[in-house]
Amino acid sequence: DIQLTQSPSFLSASEGDRVTITCRASQGISTYLVWYQQKPGKAPKLLIYAASTLQSGVPSRFSGSGSGTEFTLTISSLQPEDFATYYCQQLSSYPITFGQGTRLEIK
Amino acid sequence: QVQLQESGPGLVKPSQTLSLTCTVSGDSISSGNYYWSWVRQPAGEGLEWIGRVYTSGSTSYNPSLKSRVTISLDTSKNEFSLRLTSVTAADTAVYYCARGAGGSTFDSWGQGTLVTVSS
Repeated sequence: DIQLTQSPSFLSASEGDRVTITCRASQGISTYLVWYQQKPGKAPKLLIYAASTLQSGVPSRFSGSGSGTEFTLTISSLQPEDFATYYCQQLSSYPITFGQGTRLEIK
Repeated sequence: QVQLQESGPGLVKPSQTLSLTCTVSGDSISSGNYYWSWVRQPAGEGLEWIGRVYTSGSTSYNPSLKSRVTISLDTSKNEFSLRLTSVTAADTAVYYCARGAGGSTFDSWGQGTLVTVSS
């Protein structure tokens, strides 16, 4: 199985901050990487697919980059609604796997 | 806009079979454009992919669950189902159904349903 390791696992930041979350794959996955946002009690929401393509309707302050084994999700200016948990997911090979999550909280 | 809704028992006894259904509206599961998956999440933990089914009925499962899982389609009802046999407390989780674009990019999700395994 391909392991995805997110860092940090927990992040405290303020509104307006720029934050970056990293996802590292245990082997190369090209750009077969997706990012989701999950709020408490809710289903995950697709943010970015193919490592860097913004899903329709997602604010442009979200961006993704990377290929191979290292990927990043950046939020350019945190808004109150961005405080949530973020997961990466690989679809390069089966089984599909997710990172352990990064919890983003208000400082 | 597609909507997915999970349904099924919220409580299952150990060693019994967990059965859930995902009803899809706003899209036909027969259209051939998407895969239909189940994902679960134990309380306070991360996401685990269970498996998926395609329009043709072909399936893929997580090897960690493969011996116990069956995912099937009912195109006449526009729904797909999950069966997980011989459950234990470790199977207690919120179960989500999801639509997979390009195979496994989950662009639409159900709201999730909590299944507790307990006697």
